[in-house]
Amino acid sequence: KNEVEQSPQNLTAQEGEFITINCSYSVGISALHWLQQHPGGGIVSLFMLSSGKKKHGRLIATINIQEKHSSLHITASHPRDSAVYICAVSPSGGSQGNLIFGKGTKLSVKP
Amino acid sequence: KAGVTQTPRYLIKTRGQQVTLSCSPISGHRSVSWYQQTPGQGLQFLFEYFSETQRNKGNFPGRFSGRQFSNSRSEMNVSTLELGDSALYLCASSLVSIIWTGGPYEQYFGPGTRLTVT
Repeated sequence: KNEVEQSPQNLTAQEGEFITINCSYSVGISALHWLQQHPGGGIVSLFMLSSGKKKHGRLIATINIQEKHSSLHITASHPRDSAVYICAVSPSGGSQGNLIFGKGTKLSVKP
Repeated sequence: KAGVTQTPRYLIKTRGQQVTLSCSPISGHRSVSWYQQTPGQGLQFLFEYFSETQRNKGNFPGRFSGRQFSNSRSEMNVSTLELGDSALYLCASSLVSIIWTGGPYEQYFGPGTRLTVT
């Protein structure tokens, strides 16, 4: 079993829909990261959080440390949100770069 | 501030050859980490360097090695290339390495080097 599990693997939505991507992990962590990867490969860090909730524009990330679960929400989705969203964790006691990644969720938003 | 840069962006090599990839971190960042991304395994941690020292290494064979220079630029080397080494190799930089020194800190990723082994 992977230490970081994401669901769903693939997601197709209509423009304007509310989207939720889930991430569960089985290790102790110091932080959880949500990353966005567009075709072509470049990765952008969307959120880094260790508790509670963070919001950037239409994106919201939440984490429940007790349940070892995080969600990424996209409100009013737009075709430009189409990308792969990757959950990654920084294990407790680990170094900064030693991330464990989920397999990613491929999101396609149709106009 | 310039972002993380990686060179080359694309590379085609033959089985048995060796390859060197380069990563220049954001100015002021002292930690550089390398990752391999393949369709089958996804993203996996290769190794992390801080102040010219390897701080952590992932579960990869000894054919994968790296180093960091005094200006924080880093290189990774893969010797005796195998078909399975075909992947996108990403590096990321961060301010520091050890999370408990006020971190964790955000990782900033480069565009990647796409390596094809034939």
